[in-house]
Amino acid sequence: TQLLEQSPQFLSIQEGENLTVYCNSSSVFSSLQWYRQEPGEGPVLLVTVVTGGEVKKLKRLTFQFGDARKDSSLHITAAQPGDTGLYLCARKGGGADGLTFGKGTHLIIQP
Amino acid sequence: EAGVAQSPRYKIIEKRQSVAFWCNPISGHATLYWYQQILGQGPKLLIQFQNNGVVDDSQLPKDRFSAERLKGVDSTLKIQPAKLEDSAVYLCASSLWGARNTEAFFGQGTRLTVV
Repeated sequence: TQLLEQSPQFLSIQEGENLTVYCNSSSVFSSLQWYRQEPGEGPVLLVTVVTGGEVKKLKRLTFQFGDARKDSSLHITAAQPGDTGLYLCARKGGGADGLTFGKGTHLIIQP
Repeated sequence: EAGVAQSPRYKIIEKRQSVAFWCNPISGHATLYWYQQILGQGPKLLIQFQNNGVVDDSQLPKDRFSAERLKGVDSTLKIQPAKLEDSAVYLCASSLWGARNTEAFFGQGTRLTVV
């Protein structure tokens, strides 16, 4: 099983601060996805990264795929209370395309 | 466009009882997934359907869990008999078939509590 390790597990910061969360594995990914899950809801896709070294931006969120395609990071600039949620990284399985998720980073942005 | 619909939203049962969850995927999505999300963890894939055929059920505890997708649309997931450790949120997701990086759309989930 190719595990995805996410860190930190929990993060609580003040509104306006910047933060970075990480997703790491000992194996190479063909692609990686980031999801956000709010309480009582299912995960919602934020981005898919495919190419080593790739950087994608989604408003205040910046996603980076490591050059070796074994790690990824999510950076949030000027965090807002609406960014609160569980951030999950996920990769496709080996044969079928069901997703394998990390345990996630629980993010709380305090006003 | 309507999203993935799941019911019920919440269910409380006693251990050794049976329970069933229902999922209606997004219209036209050939692939349907059931995930189990235990509190504090990421979702774990239980089973994947392609139309009405099973593609991957390697992590489904087949002694107590079963799932079907009749006519390649709606799906039901059943647990019989339930154990305390089955307490979790059961998420259904669907996606278009073919593209490797296809987005999966998730329902709101069914929160199961086994007491």
